[in-house]
Amino acid sequence: RKEVEQDPGPFNVPEGATVAFNCTYSNSASQSFFWYRQDCRKEPKLLMSVYSSGNEDGRFTAQLNRASQYISLLIRDSKLSDSATYLCVVLSTGGFKTIFGAGTRLFVKA
Amino acid sequence: EAGVVQSPRYKIIEKKQPVAFWCNPISGHNTLYWYRQNLGQGPELLIRYENEEAVDDSQLPKDRFSAERLKGVDSTLKIQPAELGDSAVYLCASRGGGNTGELFFGEGSRLTVL
Repeated sequence: RKEVEQDPGPFNVPEGATVAFNCTYSNSASQSFFWYRQDCRKEPKLLMSVYSSGNEDGRFTAQLNRASQYISLLIRDSKLSDSATYLCVVLSTGGFKTIFGAGTRLFVKA
Repeated sequence: EAGVVQSPRYKIIEKKQPVAFWCNPISGHNTLYWYRQNLGQGPELLIRYENEEAVDDSQLPKDRFSAERLKGVDSTLKIQPAELGDSAVYLCASRGGGNTGELFFGEGSRLTVL
């Protein structure tokens, strides 16, 4: 079993749609959680951190459920420019071992 | 402020040839990572440095891969000899101090082994 698992998609949605991605992690001692965005043939870039209380940044909302060991990302009012791969990232306790999921591909269509 | 710089951006070699990738992290970032990313997959950690010390190299195929970060700043990743399955993008990332955990990536070095 992989340490971080994501639905690879692809998710094909129309502009304006709401889409949600889930990610599960296996190490209950994991400390920090993030969503990164990766455009085609580009490097990953931090989209947002994920806090226990949940957090929102504009159209993006991230949630963490430690009991069930999953993380979610909700994108509201999807834009064409949201088309990318979204990587779930888990940071282990102490050693800053950073594990990436395989990513979920999103295509937003006009 | 300059970001993470990697070179070369692209490299095409024949199998059994050696290849080396270079990375210069963001100034002041003590933690440096080398990741390998295959098409359609997420980045997979090869090695992590804290300053000049390799603190996690458990995923580095040591029979053919080597890395160094002699002065705790820039780093080199080498493959010798390269195999067809080594074709991938090699990403370097760095992280500063504090507890943000954010990694800053270079643009990557795309390797094609023929």
